[in-house]
Amino acid sequence: GAGVSQTPSNKVTEKGKYVELRCDPISGHTALYWYRQSLGQGPEFLIYFQGTGAADDSGLPNDRFFAVRPEGSVSTLKIQRTERGDSAVYLCASSLQGSNSPLHFGNGTRLTVT
Amino acid sequence: KQEVTQIPAALSVPEGENLVLNCSFTDSAIYNLQWFRQDPGKGLTSLLLIQSSQREQTSGRLNASLDKSSGRSTLYIAASQPGDSATYLCGGEGGTDKLIFGTGTRLQVFP
Repeated sequence: GAGVSQTPSNKVTEKGKYVELRCDPISGHTALYWYRQSLGQGPEFLIYFQGTGAADDSGLPNDRFFAVRPEGSVSTLKIQRTERGDSAVYLCASSLQGSNSPLHFGNGTRLTVT
Repeated sequence: KQEVTQIPAALSVPEGENLVLNCSFTDSAIYNLQWFRQDPGKGLTSLLLIQSSQREQTSGRLNASLDKSSGRSTLYIAASQPGDSATYLCGGEGGTDKLIFGTGTRLQVFP
């Protein structure tokens, strides 16, 4: 398919463990966004990439969270020393240029920290 | 800090009704605005994008408008159908190239 792909779809981990969440954007999309969504809430912005660089990482809650996009395509969101409060659905979106183009979202990764 | 309010939070209507969903921003300086629908367990699907030079967009039974003086947007759904049942989210961008979202309107259209 030509949509945004996120893996895994579900991840259960123990408190204190390290996790990586992967996002494959639509080919040719230079902008990539990570959001976090809790039940009954709207998506909360985490980080935005233009190409390989993080244009805005102001939404990352603390230094346990980090994201990379080394070749300007696939992105990985990394969470160290996970806490139960990190449990949420992590959504990735891509767009052709930025917010002046439609954002295409993946189905998300549901992270549960036990 | 930009905050987004969506009203109503939930709506349940019989099919065929025309609907109005509202979205308002505390900071009215919105450049680009998008409306999305979200089905349970899924990501968001873009419905309409109002770019900085525009005030309104239409697609089929959907029409969205943005009043930049007040920071309010309206999504109009004509002749609602059961397949329209979903959560509708608005996201606005005010010069930072990132969308800030409301908490959504949960819509149920029954036959």
